[in-house]
This record gives sequence, C-alpha cells and structure tokens, in this order.
Amino acid sequence: KQEVTQIPAALSVPEGENLVLNCSFTDSAIYNLQWFRQDPGKGLTSLLLIQSSQREQTSGRLNASLDKSSGRSTLYIAASQPGDSATYLCAVSVKAAGNKLTFGGGTRVLVKP
Amino acid sequence: DAGVIQSPRHEVTEMGQEVTLRCKPISGHDYLFWYRQTMMRGLELLIYFNNNVPIDDSGMPEDRFSAKMPNASFSTLKIQPSEPRDSAVYFCASSFQGKRTEAFFGQGTRLTVV
Repeated sequence: KQEVTQIPAALSVPEGENLVLNCSFTDSAIYNLQWFRQDPGKGLTSLLLIQSSQREQTSGRLNASLDKSSGRSTLYIAASQPGDSATYLCAVSVKAAGNKLTFGGGTRVLVKP
Repeated sequence: DAGVIQSPRHEVTEMGQEVTLRCKPISGHDYLFWYRQTMMRGLELLIYFNNNVPIDDSGMPEDRFSAKMPNASFSTLKIQPSEPRDSAVYFCASSFQGKRTEAFFGQGTRLTVV
C-alpha cells in the first residue's frame, strides 16, 4: 500500500528565504506526482505535476524535483513571500489504480513579513 | 471551463438526516473522484469513477455512504443517515486519462452534522 509522508508538518520562515518542502513515498512505481496548495477553508490548487519520466518541473518561483528510485520529491519556493503562506500537499498516482491520488499529510507554511 | 463545481459549499444538518453533495466535473474529463478531508486523517479517497462507472469504492467508510454518476457531467455523494463523525470537508476532483492526468479539485463542501 502506497504511503506518502511530508516532513516537516509545519514550517515558519522570514520573508525572502527559500522554502524547501519534502515528500517521500514508499512505492516507487508511480505514474505522476502532483504538488498542491491549500489555503485555509479553500480547495486544492494544483501547482506542479511531474510525470514519472521527468526529474523536475518549474513554474515561476516554484521548482519540483522527483527521484523515483529513492521515493522522494522536493518542492522549492524561491524568495518566499507572505502570500506563500498556505498548506502544501504532495500526492502520487499509480496508473494501474486509475490515477487515483494518495496524499501526504501536508506541510503548513508561514512566511513572516 | 469554470473548473470543478461543487454544491453546496456549506451544509449543516442534524444527525439522522440525509445529505446529498453534488459535483460537476470539468467537461471532457473521464475520471471523477470523491475525497474527504479531516484533521485527523487528512485527505482520503472515498470512491472514483471512470466514464461514469464506479471503479473503486473501497474507501467508502460505511453502507451509509453511496455515490452515483448518472452522466458525464454530474455526480452525487449521499450520506443516509448522517452522523456527527461524518463532519468533514468533501472534495470532488476530475482528471483526463492522458500523459499528464492532472487532477483538478472543486472548492469542497464543508459538512457539519450536529
């Protein structure tokens, strides 16, 4: 059974510092890995999707890497801003299982002005 | 496209009442997922459909929960009878089977059973 872990559960940084969020998964036979952002009381917003054949994806200040063999992904957010404060969730899918997502517990980020 | 649309956004009901949550997936998507989010258990998959057919309902917690997808543009999740422990945020998501299969989520329905 796939298990996804995100450490730390919470993170507080001063504005301008780079953020590094970690995600690990137990079964390396994934199809995709997706990073989401969730603001309090809101839905999930897709940030980046990395296909299993890729090693990284970039969008603006966000960069996500994937190392399937070690079961790890890292989300980097450069030059953090107070608006980056949110919970970040990673999720993996397995094609054979209909692409359903298994989620980590999330990392709650606070960027202090 | 307006994205995945869920209704209602908030629902407060008394224990024992029937609750129906609704979802309109993104047009053209062939997968639809129902998730539940709680503080204790995080995000859990309840059931998912492919081309309107239920594929895996192993996450449905009890027989009190049922889900239908009568057509490609509409799905419901019903709880009957509801209990206080069903209080959670219920999310619907949809995706298209392709190389990327990116999942898109609705805003969720916050259910409170008193």
